[in-house]
Amino acid sequence: GQQLNQSPQSMFIQEGEDVSMNCTSSSIFNTWLWYKQEPGEGPVLLIALYKAGELTSNGRLTAQFGITRKDSFLNISASIPSDVGIYFCAGTHSGGSNYKLTFGKGTLLTVNP
Amino acid sequence: DAMVIQNPRYQVTQFGKPVTLSCSQTLNHNVMYWYQQKSSQAPKLLFHYYDKDFNNEADTPDNFQSRRPNTSFCFLDIRSPGLGDAAMYLCATSRGGRSNQPQHFGDGTRLSIL
Repeated sequence: GQQLNQSPQSMFIQEGEDVSMNCTSSSIFNTWLWYKQEPGEGPVLLIALYKAGELTSNGRLTAQFGITRKDSFLNISASIPSDVGIYFCAGTHSGGSNYKLTFGKGTLLTVNP
Repeated sequence: DAMVIQNPRYQVTQFGKPVTLSCSQTLNHNVMYWYQQKSSQAPKLLFHYYDKDFNNEADTPDNFQSRRPNTSFCFLDIRSPGLGDAAMYLCATSRGGRSNQPQHFGDGTRLSIL
């Protein structure tokens, strides 16, 4: 099936640093979503992207839908300890079901105070 | 606040003893999903309902069944849980229609098998 390559797998950063993570695919995606999951909780939607080239911000978070429709990135500026968690990219790919998300394997973010 | 609610948050059952997990939503979304998530992995889709239409993933074991008696509620039944079924089970919802709508997740039920 379709796969998303998410990198990096994990990041250890100091509070205040900026963070960048990305997802790439060999096929075209119609939608890119970024979720954050904290231990023992469900994934929380951070940003949804629907158009190639779209750049969307949510507070300190910024995500972009790549022009080729095969990639997306998420940036977090001025990280704080509560940013800790696993960040998943997900999307629906062209030619697939609108109701089936393909997930990346996640990026584990640790922020040192 | 509108939300996706899963009960219970933690469930312990015995090997082979049937168990039911529940999900309710106040978002009035017509699509509901069940996912299985094991430690350090991404969620894996088991099945979804579009209104009353049930869609099973090809690799979902027969041991897993689902019921959706109305728009607001959906249940996951595990008929004979094995040790390998210990996981977090996530319910999600989305609005149906032509455009891709994001899925909203509940907080999950963590299932342990004794």
